[in-house]
Amino acid sequence: QVQLVQSGAEVKRPGASVKVSCKASGYTFTSYEINWLRQAPGQGLEWMGWMNLNSGNSGSAQKFQGRVTMTTDTSISTAYLELSSLGSEDTAVYYCARQATSIWSWYFDLWGPGTLISVSS
Amino acid sequence: DVQMTQSPSSLSASVGDRVTITCRASQNIYSSLNWYQQKPGKAPELLIYAASSLQSGVPSRFGGSGSGTDFTLTISSLQPEDFATYYCQQSYSIPYTFGRGTKLDIK
Repeated sequence: QVQLVQSGAEVKRPGASVKVSCKASGYTFTSYEINWLRQAPGQGLEWMGWMNLNSGNSGSAQKFQGRVTMTTDTSISTAYLELSSLGSEDTAVYYCARQATSIWSWYFDLWGPGTLISVSS
Repeated sequence: DVQMTQSPSSLSASVGDRVTITCRASQNIYSSLNWYQQKPGKAPELLIYAASSLQSGVPSRFGGSGSGTDFTLTISSLQPEDFATYYCQQSYSIPYTFGRGTKLDIK
């Protein structure tokens, strides 16, 4: 079955870091890029960054630069998002999503179920 | 960054209605526009990519159109399972950005 499975919900203190995992199955992991997005409670979707699973190259939205690290372990078809210096504004559901391409567009055709990260003192 | 303006923000409709949601980009994004559906507590699901291409497995009552800056998602005959929140997303340039969403509920 083609799917992305994410790690479980976590509660973190302000200033801490969190690492979310995203394990792919049912397709060739390195044939697609993985993107990370988040959704604060009751809010819309926010794109955080992307990672090429072959080259290890990655890029992130400017607001997260310096705080986000994306890595991968291709031997277990798993991508990771680490976010540091957490604040209450980072409370959100974090999604990984597979990026597919067409001649006109890149798009997210497969999503993980999401990981709720709560930041609270 | 490309700003995506989606309207309306909410919409009440009945089963069988034809519904249209619009999305406007702050600059020309050609056909680099995607539409997603999200139900409460679930991850978004891709409906339309490249402005008008129907994702595999998505019912044909969903349709997308537009290019440049103005785009439309149309649901030709609403079904009970279509009541959800819909988002547009541009993939023309990084950072990828989304509209604020349109919540579609039952009248």
